[in-house]
Amino acid sequence: QKEVEQNSGPLSVPEGAIASLNCTYSDRVSQSFFWYRQYSGKSPELIMSIYSNGDKEDGRFTAQLNKASQYVSLLIRDSQPSDSATYLCAVRRAGGTSYGKLTFGQGTILTVHP
Amino acid sequence: NAGVTQTPKFQVLKTGQSMTLQCAQDMNHNSMYWYRQDPGMGLRLIYYSASEGTTDKGEVPNGYNVSRLNKREFSLRLESAAPSQTSVYFCASSSKGEYSNQPQHFGDGTRLSIL
Repeated sequence: QKEVEQNSGPLSVPEGAIASLNCTYSDRVSQSFFWYRQYSGKSPELIMSIYSNGDKEDGRFTAQLNKASQYVSLLIRDSQPSDSATYLCAVRRAGGTSYGKLTFGQGTILTVHP
Repeated sequence: NAGVTQTPKFQVLKTGQSMTLQCAQDMNHNSMYWYRQDPGMGLRLIYYSASEGTTDKGEVPNGYNVSRLNKREFSLRLESAAPSQTSVYFCASSSKGEYSNQPQHFGDGTRLSIL
């Protein structure tokens, strides 16, 4: 089982729809969770972080965390063609010798078509 | 504010050649990281440095060495390049260290091809 697994893509949604990206993780001591967006040929950029169970909203983006189910998701409302990118889920373990290391999922390619 | 700067941006090597990828950050971050990204495999950690003077292996360290030159700079060296090391390499940095909730900030990447 992969440490961090994202729903297989590519995911295609029409403009204006809600895009739902999912991520599961295997290590129960995971503490911090991040969503990065990566445009083709570019570097990852942070769009959301979440540390506590529940929802966290930032503009059109909502991150949802359920530690009991070891599940984190990203919802993008009113999807725009400019949201077309690869979305990377990243997980950080708590304590020990983690030293801030992140474990990344394989990424989900999102395409928003007009 | 440049953030994380990587050089070079592109490089083509022949099998067996050596080279060093450079990374510098101006955010006064303690921790720095080197990743490689291959199609369909996300980002895989090669080496990291929790603080100046320390380095540790990540998930895929074989064939690489690193040097944390000072707080700002963290270099990645390929001693004898192999075609399997063809990849996009990203350097990242973050503040604090263990138990940190701070995200990692990435450089623009180095696209490396080994023939």
